[in-house]
Amino acid sequence: EPEVTQTPSHQVTQMGQEVILRCVPISNHLYFYWYRQILGQKVEFLVSFYNNEISEKSEIFDDQFSVERPDGSNFTLKIRSTKLEDSAMYFCATARGEGNIQYFGAGTRLSVL
Amino acid sequence: AQSVTQPDIHITVSEGASLELRCNYSYGATPYLFWYVQSPGQGLQLLLKYFSGDTLVQGIKGFEAEFKRSQSSFNLRKPSVHWSDAAEYFCAVGEVEYGNKLVFGAGTILRVKS
Repeated sequence: EPEVTQTPSHQVTQMGQEVILRCVPISNHLYFYWYRQILGQKVEFLVSFYNNEISEKSEIFDDQFSVERPDGSNFTLKIRSTKLEDSAMYFCATARGEGNIQYFGAGTRLSVL
Repeated sequence: AQSVTQPDIHITVSEGASLELRCNYSYGATPYLFWYVQSPGQGLQLLLKYFSGDTLVQGIKGFEAEFKRSQSSFNLRKPSVHWSDAAEYFCAVGEVEYGNKLVFGAGTILRVKS
């Protein structure tokens, strides 16, 4: 069964450093999403991406965050200058079409020290 | 704003007993509704979905859920729980007009005692 692949599984970084989280979507999927889950809290939507542009973003997704699909396969989330409160599990999800089921990756656990 | 409420933070059931996890949503239009399961250290796995049609939907692992528009509910059920069902369960609503982003409930942690 096709799956969404996220790398790395765990990223440890120092506060103020830049991190890039990577996601390889299911091959025929066109809609891409990032969510995050702070430990003990609910899963929160960050951003949706379609046709090489952001279609929706949450209040969490401020100027420190960016997304891109640089090579037509990987879908990345960049945090320019990490803060302690960015520590969370970040999930990538992809869907074949709008309104279709979103399939989630196993997540990247980001720890900001 | 759309919201999803899962009123039970923790539920403990005996193995072999029946299970019902509650979910209520607030959404203006006909919702897309989902249940996902998350085992410790794992990602989110889709159990079942409701888009339209029959209000009783079947999912994987013997789970089912019933959409009740009048009660704005989408409760998850299983007639006989197995120890391997111990996990956290999330109800979510899809906001189609906002890029189909998912709004999740806070989750219900299921413990199964033998």
